[in-house]
Amino acid sequence: DAGVIQSPRHEVTEMGQEVTLRCKPISGHNSLFWYRQTMMRGLELLIYFNNNVPIDDSGMPEDRFSAKMPNASFSTLKIQPSEPRDSAVYFCASSQQGNSNQPQHFGDGTRLSIL
Amino acid sequence: GESVGLHLPTLSVQEGDNSIINCAYSNSASDYFIWYKQESGKGPQFIIDIRSNMDKRQGQRVTVLLNKTVKHLSLQIAATQPGDSAVYFCAENNYGQNFVFGPGTRLSVLP
Repeated sequence: DAGVIQSPRHEVTEMGQEVTLRCKPISGHNSLFWYRQTMMRGLELLIYFNNNVPIDDSGMPEDRFSAKMPNASFSTLKIQPSEPRDSAVYFCASSQQGNSNQPQHFGDGTRLSIL
Repeated sequence: GESVGLHLPTLSVQEGDNSIINCAYSNSASDYFIWYKQESGKGPQFIIDIRSNMDKRQGQRVTVLLNKTVKHLSLQIAATQPGDSAVYFCAENNYGQNFVFGPGTRLSVLP
């Protein structure tokens, strides 16, 4: 079975540019999570969706960050305008949440470098 | 806590020995716990989970122990192999709320 698919794997761009990260969750999963990982702060939850609806975006650092999930098989995380401090690895994860907790399954991330 | 500095705790183990990786979790109400393995350039990979109504669960070469009294979780890896070298994270979940990840421990397997 295909896992969580993220694109691009690497992105290098100049500050001020718009960046769009993409994620395809595992088919059948109804929850989707965006994380950011840095050496200094570890793995931080930015936002998560349940049945395509944003549930908690308290981790989104600033208004420059936005996330959408137009359907069950696709989500985007957008940064506009980007800044050097946004450089990090961004992970998407999905899970099937029901009556009991289920593990999240991660993609291999997008390594973002803002120059 | 969740804060992480520049240096992860590192555990160095001889190949073939058993490894024990520890994690202190923060919320006494957490009811579900997961261990993840993250190799360089990859996302965290699920290893094993345990619910709060259990204190031990075994998988293939791995065992997770949960001590709710002291809010402590451990991952035991039997007969550690070079392929086990990675960063290991524990994660806790409170009744369906978000997972909170620990800072991670780097496991280095020595030949």
